[in-house]
Amino acid sequence: DGGITQSPKYLFRKEGQNVTLSCEQNLNHDAMYWYRQDPGQGLRLIYYSQIVNDFQKGDIAEGYSVSREKKESFPLTVTSAQKNPTAFYLCASRRQGDAYEQYFGPGTRLTVT
Amino acid sequence: KQEVTQIPAALSVPEGENLVLNCSFTDSAIYNLQWFRQDPGKGLTSLLLIQSSQREQTSGRLNASLDKSSGRSTLYIAASQPGDSATYLCAVRRIDNQGGKLIFGQGTELSVKP
Repeated sequence: DGGITQSPKYLFRKEGQNVTLSCEQNLNHDAMYWYRQDPGQGLRLIYYSQIVNDFQKGDIAEGYSVSREKKESFPLTVTSAQKNPTAFYLCASRRQGDAYEQYFGPGTRLTVT
Repeated sequence: KQEVTQIPAALSVPEGENLVLNCSFTDSAIYNLQWFRQDPGKGLTSLLLIQSSQREQTSGRLNASLDKSSGRSTLYIAASQPGDSATYLCAVRRIDNQGGKLIFGQGTELSVKP
């Protein structure tokens, strides 16, 4: 089955620790995205990548880092510099071209205490 | 700056009722608009994508319309069912957006009562 997988589903970390969230897709999509969702709010873009070895900051990139070494994978690291890391994180991908829609993974809920 | 608003934030209807969800955006220079469904604790499922040149799109009991000039889109759900209960999100892609990123509304939480 084609799709986007995110792991783990739930993640718990102590404050001050870095943590990496996984996102893998087998849709052969060029573009990949990371969004953050907080209760009662819409999604906000953290980082995106349109091609391997290239990525751009979104609206709330501070305290996060990404890499895009393979087309299929776009991991997100939440660093200790992120002031409010507890949130639901969603990964998405899309074929290049204006007519194509974004597809989303199942999400990872990160809790930092 | 593009802003996307969805009103109401929550809606409760009896089963079988037809209903309309609203989405408005401040900048009409968009490539497309996408409607999503989100179940509690889950990712987003794409429902409909409307290109800027289109007026509406249909999928089963769902019909989405787009009026770019007025900055509005509606999602019409016919003969609602309890299984339609979820949060519905709309998102727009701006014309000057090279990365394909989406700007989301805050969603409408729909509850369909049996």
